Amino acid sequence: SQELEQSPQSLIVQEGKNLTINCTSSKTLYGLYWYKQKYGEGLIFLMMLQKGGEEKSHEKITAKLDEKKQQSSLHITASQPSHAGIYLCGADSNSGYALNFGKGTSLLVTP
Amino acid sequence: DTAVSQTPKYLVTQMGNDKSIKCEQNLGHDTMYWYKQDSKKFLKIMFSYNNKELIINETVPNRFSPKSPDKAHLNLHINSLELGDSAVYFCASSRLANTGELFFGEGSRLTVL
Repeated sequence: SQELEQSPQSLIVQEGKNLTINCTSSKTLYGLYWYKQKYGEGLIFLMMLQKGGEEKSHEKITAKLDEKKQQSSLHITASQPSHAGIYLCGADSNSGYALNFGKGTSLLVTP
Repeated sequence: DTAVSQTPKYLVTQMGNDKSIKCEQNLGHDTMYWYKQDSKKFLKIMFSYNNKELIINETVPNRFSPKSPDKAHLNLHINSLELGDSAVYFCASSRLANTGELFFGEGSRLTVL
């Protein structure tokens, strides 16, 4: 089955700083999804990437999928306390009918 | 109105008991899921239903039995609860079975003593 490795496992940054979270797959990605989980809540869909080299942005968050479609990065510009939470990357499971997720990156933004 | 709602949000019970978690979605989606998030925050698929039919059962013990009375509901019943069942259980839904845009409930935290 497809494995997704996320790095770093956790991150503490000062407000206003930029940061990057990586997600690496053991197999070619045909759909890569980024989600955010606020502490104690459910996951919220952020972005989907499907094509090699694709890049999408939403507000101050940018996600990219590399040309080989095995690695994705999530970049946050000028981080704010509202960005705090757990970021998870997900990819289609072997069956294609559910998502497998990485173990998440816990982000804390300090004032 | 909450799109995907789960009840109860918290559940504390003794080993050996039987418990149920209910999930309802008002998005008109065809597909619903149960995920388990362990203490290390690892989220793993358990079941997926499309139009009330089971399409994924990811090597989950027989003690776990999902039931979908209609497209808008997917309940999870757990028999003979064990300590290792303690986790947060998330219900989710999607418009289609093969899309990765899932809408999650807020989770049900189960603690087995």
